[in-house]
Amino acid sequence: GQQLNQSPQSMFIQEGEDVSMNCTSSSIFNTWLWYKQDPGEGPVLLIALYKAGELTSNGRLTAQFGITRKDSFLNISASIPSDVGIYFCAGRSSGGSNYKLTFGKGTLLTVNP
Amino acid sequence: SQTIHQWPATLVQPVGSPLSLECTVEGTSNPNLYWYRQAAGRGLQLLFYSVGIGQISSEVPQNLSASRPQDRQFILSSKKLLLSDSGFYLCAWTDYNEQFFGPGTRLTVL
Repeated sequence: GQQLNQSPQSMFIQEGEDVSMNCTSSSIFNTWLWYKQDPGEGPVLLIALYKAGELTSNGRLTAQFGITRKDSFLNISASIPSDVGIYFCAGRSSGGSNYKLTFGKGTLLTVNP
Repeated sequence: SQTIHQWPATLVQPVGSPLSLECTVEGTSNPNLYWYRQAAGRGLQLLFYSVGIGQISSEVPQNLSASRPQDRQFILSSKKLLLSDSGFYLCAWTDYNEQFFGPGTRLTVL
């Protein structure tokens, strides 16, 4: 089946620092999605990407759809304590089911005030 | 706008007891619906998905089942819970391009 490698698994940073995480796929994806999950809640969609090379921002968050269509990056600038949570990437393979997403295992972000 | 509800929010059940978790979506028609389980290790495991009333696809063979009696209702069930069924259960819907999650149900099997 499809696999997504998400890294890093966890990050410990100081407030104000920038954060970068990425996901790589073994196959070509036609959609990349980035989610944030707060403790005890469902994941919330942050950014959706549909074209290779696409760069999209949502406030302090910026995500990119890799040119090879096999990777995506999420950057958070000037982190704040409420950025704490688990960040998931997800994608839909161009050769896979139209109904299912493949998820990364998540990046646990801790921000020290 | 679309909203997705799950209940109960938390549940503590003894081993061997039955289970019924409910998910409803408002503000959309004929959504694709999904059940995921999230163990303490963080990953999301797809359990079932449905593309229409009465249509259920199972991803992982186990003692859980799913049903879709109405267009915007998705139910996760079990006849006899196991300890390993403990976890955080998430319902989701998709408009094809993007997937949106409910608030989740925390299930503890003792």
